[in-house]
Amino acid sequence: QQQVKQSPQSLIVQKGGISIINCAYENTAFDYFPWYQQFPGKGPALLIAIRPDVSEKKEGRFTISFNKSAKQFSLHIMDSQPGDSATYFCAARQGTGANNLFFGTGTRLTVIP
Amino acid sequence: GAGVSQSPSNKVTEKGKDVELRCDPISGHTALYWYRQSLGQGLEFLIYFQGNSAPDKSGLPSDRFSAERTGGSVSTLTIQRTQQEDSAVYLCASSSQRIRETQYFGPGTRLLVL
Repeated sequence: QQQVKQSPQSLIVQKGGISIINCAYENTAFDYFPWYQQFPGKGPALLIAIRPDVSEKKEGRFTISFNKSAKQFSLHIMDSQPGDSATYFCAARQGTGANNLFFGTGTRLTVIP
Repeated sequence: GAGVSQSPSNKVTEKGKDVELRCDPISGHTALYWYRQSLGQGLEFLIYFQGNSAPDKSGLPSDRFSAERTGGSVSTLTIQRTQQEDSAVYLCASSSQRIRETQYFGPGTRLLVL
């Protein structure tokens, strides 16, 4: 059973456009929501993360929007660049006692020049 | 070291053979995790080590899978009697005691079972 559902599976965006990736969860015990970026042949790298006590977090061109009541969160990439082309994973951690992450199935983003 | 390292980077084996995958975490990191990434899938949690505590093995898919962490550092994931469905990328991650949420991933071991 997929604990974190991610969409879309793939996304093609024009350079300079906005890329939006969405995730949803059911487990209200989740307390930490990171996004990871993965390039081919590499391990995932932490991009940005949010806790459920805030509704938005912005770091440069990357923004997480968090809707606690809807149990949804999304990643927005502003002014998308070809170098952003990668696979993006959302994830969630269940409570402070556990530290393993539940990952979404990933979104392959392609930014075309 | 500068980051999490894993070896081998690629492994091809025959069905029924045992394989061992190695992970060297970032020096000083007390937590170590193993995940499996199958083609087109997200990362699936396998096992988690934290310091000297008993490991969380709740993600291991079968008793053919086991892992050890010696001396609180290097970890080995062992898959016995490999099956074709074990083919995947096996990723290791580590995190520090101070910033436990941030997991740093290695490049993974690509396992192909023929």
